[in-house]
This record gives sequence, C-alpha cells and structure tokens, in this order.
Amino acid sequence: DTGVSQNPRHKITKRGQNVTFRCDPISEHNRLYWYRQTLGQGPEFLTYFQNEAQLEKSRLLSDRFSAERPKGSFSTLEIQRTEQGDSAMYLCASSAQTSGANVLTFGAGSRLTVL
Amino acid sequence: RKEVEQDPGPFNVPEGATVAFNCTYSNSASQSFFWYRQDCRKEPKLLMSVYSSGNEDGRFTAQLNRASQYISLLIRDSKLSDSATYLCVVNVGGGFKTIFGAGTRLFVKA
Repeated sequence: DTGVSQNPRHKITKRGQNVTFRCDPISEHNRLYWYRQTLGQGPEFLTYFQNEAQLEKSRLLSDRFSAERPKGSFSTLEIQRTEQGDSAMYLCASSAQTSGANVLTFGAGSRLTVL
Repeated sequence: RKEVEQDPGPFNVPEGATVAFNCTYSNSASQSFFWYRQDCRKEPKLLMSVYSSGNEDGRFTAQLNRASQYISLLIRDSKLSDSATYLCVVNVGGGFKTIFGAGTRLFVKA
C-alpha cells in the first residue's frame, strides 16, 4: 500500500490520559499535515512540516498538542492530558515538493474518543 | 473572520439539476485553490484545482475571482453519486499552509 497510513484507527481513552497518533506519508512526499475534524465541520488545520521542519502551528492549538517528524518521514501527534473536547477525527495528509499544485493526499484518519 | 468561508447548505437537488457552491477567502496573497470532495465517514479527496482562467472537468466547472477573493464550483446534470460534502481549499499566503472551509453538503435525490 503506497498511500498515507495512520495508526491507530480508533483510540478510546479516559480524560487526563496522553495519546499518540502516528502517520506514515507517501514515501516521496516531503510535506506532512495534521488536521482535526469534528462532525459537520471541515478539517481544521493543526500544523504542517516540510521535511523535518515544523513550519507552522495553529494558534488555536493548545500546549497540550505536540507534533514531531524527526527524520522527515513518519510523524507523531501527541495529545497530553486529554479532554472531552479533544474527541475528533485526526487526519494526516502529505504532498510532494515537485507537484505544481500542492495537492494533499489524506490517510483514513485516527478517531479519538475521550471519556 | 475565517480564512475560508463556505455556505454550509445543505443543498437538496433533484437528479439532473445544476447546483453552484460559493467560497470566499480572506488572504489576498493566496495563490492556490482547490475543491475537495468528502464522502460520509471518508477522508477528503481532490476534486479539482481552480485556475485563474477557470477550468472544467466534465460536469464540473470551477471559477476564481481574485479581485473579489471568491471561488465557485458548478455541477451540471447532478447524479445521485454527487451526494457528498464539497470542501473549498486554499493555500493561504505565499506558502503551503492549506486551509479547508467548513464544507457544503449536497444531497442529490432521485
């Protein structure tokens, strides 16, 4: 499978616990994005990387959220001290430097439920 | 003001109808524009890019008005399979920060 892979697909956790999601982008893609999506809303931008550099992070993102892409390949998104409001689908997408238009390819997402 | 704004709908149209979606963006330096489609419980997928001169892909036509910071999508001869959420997408400013609108829900009925 050469698409964007996200794990785990589903995560149920108790409030206050930490969770980590992993994204493996398409191998030749150097940009990687994280979004959060809740029911009836479009994907909300969280952050994006170009290679290993985190170029922008949403001002809406609290300090409990951190993302890394240490070797410019896979990325992790960690949420510390989860709250019920963090329940959402977390989407990862990647795109290629060489494409004339920055077209994002999404993974299937990681659904988080905070009890 | 949101960076990308769309009419949320829903739009309920009969098969064969023509339907148009609108979108506005706030950052005048934005350079790249797209429409994505998202089916229920699925990830978004690219429908088409939007070019300055306007572009067409079969039954779908996209238009861009940079002066008004306005993007549109026209769907002609709607099919049942067109039922989905249509997301307006902008690469804001001069970089690659990609922002999605809230989406417009379309229901095509027989």
